Amino acid sequence: EIVLTQSPGTLSLSPGERATLSCRASLSVSRNSLAWYQQKPGQAPRLLISYTSIRATGIPDRFSGSGSGTDFTLTISRLEPEDFAVYYCQQYGTSPLTFGGGTKVEIK
Amino acid sequence: QVRLVQSGAEVKKPGASVRVSCQASGYTFTSYTINWVRQAPGQGLEWMGWITPYNGDTNYAQRLQGRVSMTTDTATSTAYMELRSLKSDDTAIYYCARDGDTLVAFDIWGQGTMVTVSS
Repeated sequence: EIVLTQSPGTLSLSPGERATLSCRASLSVSRNSLAWYQQKPGQAPRLLISYTSIRATGIPDRFSGSGSGTDFTLTISRLEPEDFAVYYCQQYGTSPLTFGGGTKVEIK
Repeated sequence: QVRLVQSGAEVKKPGASVRVSCQASGYTFTSYTINWVRQAPGQGLEWMGWITPYNGDTNYAQRLQGRVSMTTDTATSTAYMELRSLKSDDTAIYYCARDGDTLVAFDIWGQGTMVTVSS
């Protein structure tokens, strides 16, 4: 099983700042099949990024993904008030599919 | 509009079974795999398995093997997840989620179903 480790656990930032979230895999992620999701309290997760860097429909371009192999990054270029949430990475190239433990982006 | 609508909250006793439904609309049900993901209170996401409605193929997470079953009814575009021999740590929100097109991850999610296991 591929274990995904997200860091930091919590990121305290102000609106307008840049957020950099890390996801490290215990084994290489097949075909860079790495996704990022955003989850707000009381809501289902929402897909942001597939295949490491492809934004989902309707996702603003302040969200970007990068990386390869075992190291991946989600960057939010300028935080908007609605971006404060929990973010999960997921690898979907190898069964069992696995999720990271999440990074909470909170208002400083 | 593409949607997945799940059944309502359930309260079950330890040892019982629960079945959660997930009805799809707005797309061709047999063209996309359905995954099930759960989230214990205050915790992260756990993938449970997937089913391909086209042919009924399934792939379950090993830790749930023997307790979980996933099925579909193509006539009503509905996916079902049954979990048996419930334990207190099965208390969670259960989500269905659609696999997107090629290389796309889980692009559409149901609203979630809270399952509480308590004596």
